Amino acid sequence: QSALTQPASVSGSPGQSVTISCTGTSSDVGGYNYVSWYQQHPGKAPKLMIYDVSKRPSGVSNRFSGSKSGNTASLTISGLQAEDEADYYCSSYPSSSTLIWVFGGGTKLTVL
Amino acid sequence: QVQLQESGPGLVKPSETLSLTCTVSGVSISSSYWSWIRQPPGKGLEWVGDIYHSGTTNYNPSLKSRVTISVDTSKNQFSLNLSSVTAADTAVYYCATEGTYAGAFDIWGQGTMVTVSS
Repeated sequence: QSALTQPASVSGSPGQSVTISCTGTSSDVGGYNYVSWYQQHPGKAPKLMIYDVSKRPSGVSNRFSGSKSGNTASLTISGLQAEDEADYYCSSYPSSSTLIWVFGGGTKLTVL
Repeated sequence: QVQLQESGPGLVKPSETLSLTCTVSGVSISSSYWSWIRQPPGKGLEWVGDIYHSGTTNYNPSLKSRVTISVDTSKNQFSLNLSSVTAADTAVYYCATEGTYAGAFDIWGQGTMVTVSS
């Protein structure tokens, strides 16, 4: 099972918006509405930021939003803040046929 | 609240078996699937496998021949064994589960670093 494809890095200035893409196939991202996004700061465990493509867990800022078109999901962070600088990973819930979770390779967000 | 805590040796010799345990607190282990996820230094996340309280397991095909995940419901723990390890298995190992939000890992352990070296 191949990892989902994410850009290695993105950057933006404080106050701007950035979007991180996550491309899979019709067997994972495109086939189900179970895409999730995680934020990871250095030395810390990942933190769930988005689930079910576009839903925010309790306590996550509404500056974080998710969407999907075809086999590509996206995470948009608006009103960038210094604390948003981190690694971001997408993931797809396993299909009923494979039962295998897949993650993206990760994207390093730099706040300039 | 639900908490996960990994434990096990931080150093394993090449060709030996890596063994880790995840202790679950705040909820019965008989309530969900429980996963192991690893992250080599400077690299991304890799799902290793998961287990249901019944003992049903699913493994990453790339590791399937070397991985065994088991559950001990009496201790509210689940464990990972990875055999014939090499330096490529050096990673932070996390245990995680779907808690409030199905279809996503919203509960993670703090992670434990395992180094494979002689």
